[in-house]
Amino acid sequence: DAGVIQSPRHEVTEMGQEVTLRCKPISGHNSLFWYRQTMMRGLELLIYFNNNVPIDDSGMPEDRFSAKMPNASFSTLKIQPSEPRDSAVYFCASNIQGLGIQYFGAGTRLSVL
Amino acid sequence: AQSVTQLDSQVPVFEEAPVELRCNYSSSVSVYLFWYVQYPNQGLQLLLKYLSGSTLVKGINGFEAEFNKSQTSFHLRKPSVHISDTAEYFCAVSDTGDYKLSFGAGTTVTVRA
Repeated sequence: DAGVIQSPRHEVTEMGQEVTLRCKPISGHNSLFWYRQTMMRGLELLIYFNNNVPIDDSGMPEDRFSAKMPNASFSTLKIQPSEPRDSAVYFCASNIQGLGIQYFGAGTRLSVL
Repeated sequence: AQSVTQLDSQVPVFEEAPVELRCNYSSSVSVYLFWYVQYPNQGLQLLLKYLSGSTLVKGINGFEAEFNKSQTSFHLRKPSVHISDTAEYFCAVSDTGDYKLSFGAGTTVTVRA
């Protein structure tokens, strides 16, 4: 099993640019989570999808953030325009039916200059 | 959602010494409990889980944890640590039947020779 795959692993961009983070969940998993990890706030849930449908996006910080899951094997998290305070590590996780163990990807370290 | 407290932010320990990382959560309703480990520049890896059954749970790399419902705690232990155990450890809790996983702030374990 390849696990949850995230790309890119590192992203450096300038303020105002659009950033797209990508995630491929584990095959057979129908739930997907996006998290953000910062020193100040720890791990925060941004959005939760079940069967490709966003169920809970209450953690999305503002309108600059959007997430999509066009099919069961792919999701994107987009930030437009990016700001320095968006610098963080973004994790994707997946599981079955949203319950129990969540399996995490290696993360994308985003630096917005 | 649950609130999770990891009582120690940093734990320095000598190689081959025992270590205990403390975790308390807010509610005594039926819960799932997890410990994840994050090695430098990597994603979160599941160490162990409590879903039901025996309150003493064994995980990978010689770690174990004990679920104490009356004290709403799930402390992690290892009798003898190695240099390779240097990492950040996260306690996580969800109510059974709930997708939301609440994470503690993390405990950084530094093992010295």
